[in-house]
Amino acid sequence: EAQVTQNPRYLITVTGKKLTVTCSQNMNHEYMSWYRQDPGLGLRQIYYSMNVEVTDKGDVPEGYKVSRKEKRNFPLILESPSPNQTSLYFCASSPTRQAGTEAFFGQGTRLTVV
Amino acid sequence: AQSVTQLGSHVSVSEGALVLLRCNYSSSVPPYLFWYVQYPNQGLQLLLKYTSAATLVKGINGFEAEFKKSETSFHLTKPSAHMSDAAEYFCAVTEYGNKLVFGAGTILRVKS
Repeated sequence: EAQVTQNPRYLITVTGKKLTVTCSQNMNHEYMSWYRQDPGLGLRQIYYSMNVEVTDKGDVPEGYKVSRKEKRNFPLILESPSPNQTSLYFCASSPTRQAGTEAFFGQGTRLTVV
Repeated sequence: AQSVTQLGSHVSVSEGALVLLRCNYSSSVPPYLFWYVQYPNQGLQLLLKYTSAATLVKGINGFEAEFKKSETSFHLTKPSAHMSDAAEYFCAVTEYGNKLVFGAGTILRVKS
């Protein structure tokens, strides 16, 4: 089944403890991105990747890192999480970086930083 | 810069009634427009998209949306609401590349 898989689905952590949220897609998609969803703000892009070893900042990149060593994986790294990073996170992938192509979303990761 | 405004953070309709969710966009070039739906505890699923082929776009589950350039709108409609339509709906726009700019979302409640 074609899908985007995120892990974990739920995570509670303490301020400053490094964490990684994994994202994997099995559709050989070129473009991958991370979004965070906050009430009243919709989804905002954190980082994106146009292909292996090619990543760039989105609209809200502060406090996050990403890597794209393999085409299928695009982990999100929070090196020193803070309470303002408490949010619902989504990974998405698209066949190409061309505008207008459909984005496929993972199930989401609900992160709480205390 | 692109932006999306969804009017009404919550919309409530009776089962069988018309669903109308409003979306206005701002874009400096002809945009690509999307409607996504999010059911509780799930990811986003594409309902429909506008890519300049036709102004009236039909999507899944009986939804459709009409692109009106003069009004910069892309409102989502469904003639008859069903209980299973209860969800949060997001309008999104993209101009270049594949970065989606989302509206704040509208939660649809369907009353029996």
